[in-house]
Amino acid sequence: EVQVLESGGDLVQPGGSLRLSCATSGFTFGSYAMSWVRQAPGKGLEWVSGIGSDGNSIHYADSVKGRFTISRDNSKNTLYLQMSNLRAEDSALYYCAKHDGEYDSSGIDVWGQGTTVTVSS
Amino acid sequence: SYVLTQPPSVSVAPGETAKITCTGNNIGSKSLHWYQQRPGQAPVLVIHYDTDRPSGIPERFSGSNSENTATLTISSVEAGDEADYYCLVWDGDTYQALFGGGTRLTVL
Repeated sequence: EVQVLESGGDLVQPGGSLRLSCATSGFTFGSYAMSWVRQAPGKGLEWVSGIGSDGNSIHYADSVKGRFTISRDNSKNTLYLQMSNLRAEDSALYYCAKHDGEYDSSGIDVWGQGTTVTVSS
Repeated sequence: SYVLTQPPSVSVAPGETAKITCTGNNIGSKSLHWYQQRPGQAPVLVIHYDTDRPSGIPERFSGSNSENTATLTISSVEAGDEADYYCLVWDGDTYQALFGGGTRLTVL
């Protein structure tokens, strides 16, 4: 069974940093692109960042470019999102999502349950 | 930047057919995916690559994509179909994925 499990969400002050992790199992992690997608309370889905299967193709939404860094460790089947200079508008449920191909231009077929990030003083 | 537009809400009686649209400039040239999100749950893929239905998704769910409009059609709507539905495309000009604003389907 394909599984993705996010962790690392927390309450953090504005300007602070946080690292999210996504542990995966049930599929060949190194063969698929992955993304982070967030959802602010009561709002819609927002794609945050994607990374290709080999880690060499990386893309970001304009809203996080320069502040967030996506990475992956294919030896550990784990995806990461390093978030810095956090703002109140970054508060959201962050989903880890598996693509159905090696590039993040492919569709998303599996979602985790999410981890909550709250940015507040 | 590319914009995807969905109606905020669609209402339909049980047993009827619901059509949820996702519009964008020449969207028919892009691969489009649909997700269902029930309250308090993670999204679930219901249609990918315009028309393909993943295993486990009822045949009542179908999709189309042509010119400037993609449509998710749910036939014989059931109470359990009540959810938010989102479309997703890849914008090859900005190298970013983009979700529509979402449509809340209400079963009357």
